[in-house]
Amino acid sequence: KNQVEQSPQSLIILEGKNCTLQCNYTVSPFSNLRWYKQDTGRGPVSLTIMTFSENTKSNGRYTATLDADTKQSSLHITASQLSDSASYICVVSARAAGNKLTFGGGTRVLVKP
Amino acid sequence: DAGVIQSPRHEVTEMGQEVTLRCKPISGHNSLFWYRQTMMRGLELLIYFNNNVPIDDSGMPEDRFSAKMPNASFSTLKIQPSEPRDSAVYFCASTRLAGADEQFFGPGTRLTVL
Repeated sequence: KNQVEQSPQSLIILEGKNCTLQCNYTVSPFSNLRWYKQDTGRGPVSLTIMTFSENTKSNGRYTATLDADTKQSSLHITASQLSDSASYICVVSARAAGNKLTFGGGTRVLVKP
Repeated sequence: DAGVIQSPRHEVTEMGQEVTLRCKPISGHNSLFWYRQTMMRGLELLIYFNNNVPIDDSGMPEDRFSAKMPNASFSTLKIQPSEPRDSAVYFCASTRLAGADEQFFGPGTRLTVL
């Protein structure tokens, strides 16, 4: 069964600090992995998308890594800002008919001043 | 472009009533997705359309749920009859090509069934 597990479920960090979110998946055959940011009361917004051959991708202060061998991904937030407070969702696409997406449960990040 | 448009933004109804959620995808996008999000289950794909044709409806919870896409610029998700356990935020998303492309999400409809 395709699954995506994220950790931690939630975390609190001080403004200006860095943090790393984890995503482990069992989706097969793998097509791509995306990280979304979802602000409270809004729809998810794409941060990064990585295919099998990519092992790192950045979007401003967000850097995602992918290890396709161990089926793990991480999202690193550098110099956190209050606006980074949100849920971060890892989504993995299977390379099959329809490229079905499997969603992680998300990590809720709270940045405190 | 205005992005994906959903209406209503909030809906409160009583158990047993029919509920219709609406979505207008981004112009030029060929795939449309309906999701449900709850605290307990996170984001779940209900159904998706490619070129107005339903491709995968395996996520639709039961026969009370139905979705249509009569044309490229409009889709509905209907719940009849509604139940309290249907309370959730329902998102619509669209993309140019299913699977490979980034999905653009609408603002969601928060449904409360009393």
